[in-house]
Amino acid sequence: ETGVTQTPRHLVMGMTNKKSLKCEQHLGHNAMYWYKQSAKKPLELMFVYSLEERVENNSVPSRFSPECPNSSHLFLHLHTLQPEDSALYLCASSQSGVGGGMNTEAFFGQGTRLTVV
Amino acid sequence: AQKITQTQPGMFVQEKEAVTLDCTYDTSDQSYGLFWYKQPSSGEMIFLIYQGSYDEQNATEGRYSLNFQKARKSANLVISASQLGDSAMYFCAMRDWTSYDKVIFGPGTSLSVIP
Repeated sequence: ETGVTQTPRHLVMGMTNKKSLKCEQHLGHNAMYWYKQSAKKPLELMFVYSLEERVENNSVPSRFSPECPNSSHLFLHLHTLQPEDSALYLCASSQSGVGGGMNTEAFFGQGTRLTVV
Repeated sequence: AQKITQTQPGMFVQEKEAVTLDCTYDTSDQSYGLFWYKQPSSGEMIFLIYQGSYDEQNATEGRYSLNFQKARKSANLVISASQLGDSAMYFCAMRDWTSYDKVIFGPGTSLSVIP
């Protein structure tokens, strides 16, 4: 496999459920990201992991919990979500810090379309 | 703080015509990179083109070119010979030294190509 892979592609969950989104990158990158894309809103950066350490948490509610066990994998654990959390969740990776530079674009997965009912 | 502005929420273009999508950015850094992405209705974000702040030439990639005006802090995307498959959302994005570990996106422009 190549690129950035996200699973599942679609997820419907109730407000009391617990689920996890998975992201895997096969590009040898050292930074991974979670973005949220709601209808008619800009792409919101949620979390940044660089060298497996969380370097950014943009005031995301605690019902979203990221996990980065290694440089190739990133999870987003979800619990007690609200209907307004329904959105497209995009994972991305890039080379950052040592070995990276300004011209290192982020590569995206195809996203998980989440619906909270 | 870094900020990307795309003032055109929606654009229409006739097939085979050229179209320019606007992007302005704000950063206090001298070194930064600018990117354009395309997002079709399927949802995936596709990287199109990159421009570095120190690049003297405007970037080009096939039918895509970037009209980079550093003093005005603008990085407009030009798509030549539009095709029906170009219909999508287009996002301008930036990475600079202040936000080195992340790529910041603008609100996007929806492009519709008319046959």
